[in-house]
Amino acid sequence: GAGVSQSPSNKVTEKGKDVELRCDPISGHTALYWYRQRLGQGLEFLIYFQGNSAPDKSGLPSDRFSAERTGESVSTLTIQRTQQEDSAVYLCASSLLAGGTYEQYFGPGTRLTVT
Amino acid sequence: QKEVEQNSGPLSVPEGAIASLNCTYSDRGSQSFFWYRQYSGKSPELIMFIYSNGDKEDGRFTAQLNKASQYVSLLIRDSQPSDSATYLCAVIMGYGQNFVFGPGTRLSVLP
Repeated sequence: GAGVSQSPSNKVTEKGKDVELRCDPISGHTALYWYRQRLGQGLEFLIYFQGNSAPDKSGLPSDRFSAERTGESVSTLTIQRTQQEDSAVYLCASSLLAGGTYEQYFGPGTRLTVT
Repeated sequence: QKEVEQNSGPLSVPEGAIASLNCTYSDRGSQSFFWYRQYSGKSPELIMFIYSNGDKEDGRFTAQLNKASQYVSLLIRDSQPSDSATYLCAVIMGYGQNFVFGPGTRLSVLP
């Protein structure tokens, strides 16, 4: 079946502009996660959705970052007034979290470059 | 504090050898453990998961879990240059399915 998809695959934006990053999880997966990965660094947790609620927003680095999810499908991560330090790959993952199945599956990521 | 620790490497092994990757975690109550492989410029790919103490084998990969020691490892037998990647350990900790990833170990398999 189809895996996690993300769009766009690459985004170049000017400092101060807003950007929206989209994630389509695997069909039926109730949990959705966003991570940030700077070049050469590890995964940085941003936010987790269970259905369309976000029990854990602890990783959002500032109030410029927000995310929403429609039901158990698409999620959008929005970064307002982008800064150069926002440049990174933004990864989305989804998980079934039911019936003893807890593995996360990752999308290909969106590479964001802020100039 | 919820932590997952791994040696950053690089871990270098000759082709055909066994590569041993180790991970420790802080939450004694953790029940679910995962290994991901990440090639440079690509997203993480799930290669193994383990929920019970002991060994779990899948092809050339073996995951080993020791909950008493809070330790999980990944063995790669007959290592190939194509196994060269960063290996991420992940643990579900606490409530709410909080996935915590380690910093990753970079493996280099030398031909």
